[in-house]
Amino acid sequence: DIQMTQSPSSLSASVGDRVTITCRASQRISVNLNWFQQKPGKAPKVLIYAASNLESGVPSRFSGSGSGTHFILTISSLQPEDFAIYYCQQSHSIPLTFGGGTKVEIK
Amino acid sequence: QVTLRESGPALVNPIQTLTLSCTFSGFSLNTPGMCVSWIRQPPGKALEWLALIDWDDSKYYSTSLKARLAISKDASKNQVVLTMTIMEPVDAGTYYCARTRYYGSGHGSTYFDFWGQGTLVAVSS
Repeated sequence: DIQMTQSPSSLSASVGDRVTITCRASQRISVNLNWFQQKPGKAPKVLIYAASNLESGVPSRFSGSGSGTHFILTISSLQPEDFAIYYCQQSHSIPLTFGGGTKVEIK
Repeated sequence: QVTLRESGPALVNPIQTLTLSCTFSGFSLNTPGMCVSWIRQPPGKALEWLALIDWDDSKYYSTSLKARLAISKDASKNQVVLTMTIMEPVDAGTYYCARTRYYGSGHGSTYFDFWGQGTLVAVSS
């Protein structure tokens, strides 16, 4: 199974800050990497697919980059509604696997 | 408009079998490129993919849970069913179904684009 490791596991940031979250795969996965946002009590919502493609309706302050084993999710200017948990997920091979999550909290 | 809704028991006894249904609308599981996955989340923990069924009835499972899982579909009823045998307290959590679609031609080019609200399952006697 491909292991997905996110860092940090949590971070504190202020509104307007630039935030980056890293995801590493245990083997090369090309660009087969998706990012999700989950708010308390809600289902996850896709932000980015194929490493860098913004899902329709997602604000442009979210962006993704990377390929191979190293991926980054960037929020260019953190907004109040962005405080949530973020997960990466690889679709390169079965079984599909998620990272452990990164909790973005208010500083 | 794509919607998915999970249904099933809120409480199961240990060693019982859990049966969950996912009823969806707004797409067809007869359409090439369309799939449905099950994903679960223990309270306060990360997401865990369980199983996927695609338009041609191919089925894929979590490595660690493969022996306990079965996924099936009834495309005419727009429904996908997941069964998990020998339930244990560690299996408690929220179970989600999600539309899984191909955005490219490669085998790895899928993502979960629409999710149900989830159904909470407890395991206790």
